[in-house]
Amino acid sequence: KAGVTQTPRYLIKTRGQQVTLSCSPISGHRSVSWYQQTPGQGLQFLFEYFSETQRNKGNFPGRFSGRQFSNSRSEMNVSTLELGDSALYLCASSLSSGTGGEKLFFGSGTQLSVL
Amino acid sequence: SQQGEEDPQALSIQEGENATMNCSYKTSINNLQWYRQNSGRGLVHLILIRSNEREKHSGRLRVTLDTSKKSSSLLITASRAADTASYFCATDAGYSTLTFGKGTMLLVSP
Repeated sequence: KAGVTQTPRYLIKTRGQQVTLSCSPISGHRSVSWYQQTPGQGLQFLFEYFSETQRNKGNFPGRFSGRQFSNSRSEMNVSTLELGDSALYLCASSLSSGTGGEKLFFGSGTQLSVL
Repeated sequence: SQQGEEDPQALSIQEGENATMNCSYKTSINNLQWYRQNSGRGLVHLILIRSNEREKHSGRLRVTLDTSKKSSSLLITASRAADTASYFCATDAGYSTLTFGKGTMLLVSP
């Protein structure tokens, strides 16, 4: 079974630009969640999608958005990039019953650098 | 905000030694998970322990949970160089939403 695939692996952008990151979950997994990892703030939850619906959202500004397609693939978008958006963005998938206790399977991440 | 806080921040040991990492959290939980991350890569799930469990084993891993103290520990026995990684505890808020601690960096030297 293929793992969680994130593309691209590395991305360099300049301030003010926007970026779209892609995530393909493990086949059969309907939940996709996104996390931002920085040296200062650690791992922080961005949002979670299940069957194309956002079920939960972290404390991030509206510049961060996401969506999920009918095949469970997900994208996240960051508009008007700031230097502080430089981070490793991690996508995770799970079967998710929504009751908790879900084991998450992570992709290798997209390393975004904002110059 | 961080729910879990790992201690120590960094740990350096020799191969064959045991490594113990601790995690404290703030609010009541239903379960707690531990993950490993090799440098700059994705996280790998290690073990989940539910709030009604006190101890759980998986291979060379032993996890304990003390809900009265809001703390958990991860013990890796007979460490290997390949165990070198960062280890995170995470509490579960439902809907695949995990709140991670800042992690413990473990260095195992040959």
